[in-house]
Amino acid sequence: AAGVIQSPRHLIKEKRETATLKCYPIPRHDTVYWYQQGPGQDPQFLISFYEKMQSDKGSIPDRFSAQQFSDYHSELNMSSLELGDSALYFCASSLETGENTEAFFGQGTRLTVV
Amino acid sequence: DAKTTQPPSMDCAEGRAANLPCNHSTISGNEYVYWYRQIHSQGPQYIIHGLKNNETNEMASLIITEDRKSSTLILPHATLRDTAVYYCIVRGNPIYGGSQGNLIFGKGTKLSVKP
Repeated sequence: AAGVIQSPRHLIKEKRETATLKCYPIPRHDTVYWYQQGPGQDPQFLISFYEKMQSDKGSIPDRFSAQQFSDYHSELNMSSLELGDSALYFCASSLETGENTEAFFGQGTRLTVV
Repeated sequence: DAKTTQPPSMDCAEGRAANLPCNHSTISGNEYVYWYRQIHSQGPQYIIHGLKNNETNEMASLIITEDRKSSTLILPHATLRDTAVYYCIVRGNPIYGGSQGNLIFGKGTKLSVKP
């Protein structure tokens, strides 16, 4: 079965650069969630989208923005990168209006800021 | 903030049942109990979820107390590959939109399965 696809899997950026992470949800899933997991930390909720509209916002820095496109894929844009942004970034998708609303996670993007 | 409390770590012998407890005393009537696990920096893996009835699938069983204030995830025959951090999460029904469907991770239980 198709899973959540994230790209790239690894990314190295310098301080003050920008980065764009992409997430392709499971086909027919209408909801996307983004999470950040720092070293030794638990996943922290950043932001979510339902039907291309932002549905909730968590601890996402103002330097970050995200959107969900008409094909339901989502992108997390990160600007003015800081060393502390080095983390694993996970995307999850679910079908909000279906009978089974489990959220499934991608394998993540490991961002290293140097 | 996470609405669950779990022991930070547990050990289990290979081949034995692993019983992972979770307290969620403030759970509300329309909130589900979800379990995920994360194996060494991989994406969290969905295990099982339930509302008030006990649930079983090919991975595990979920036992929810009658008052819904606690639950136990049971891995019937733990293997070395079950070593992971297990997260118990209270989640609203995403049908209601907004923050209802968000998965808010707490500290989880680090399960170590030993030979």
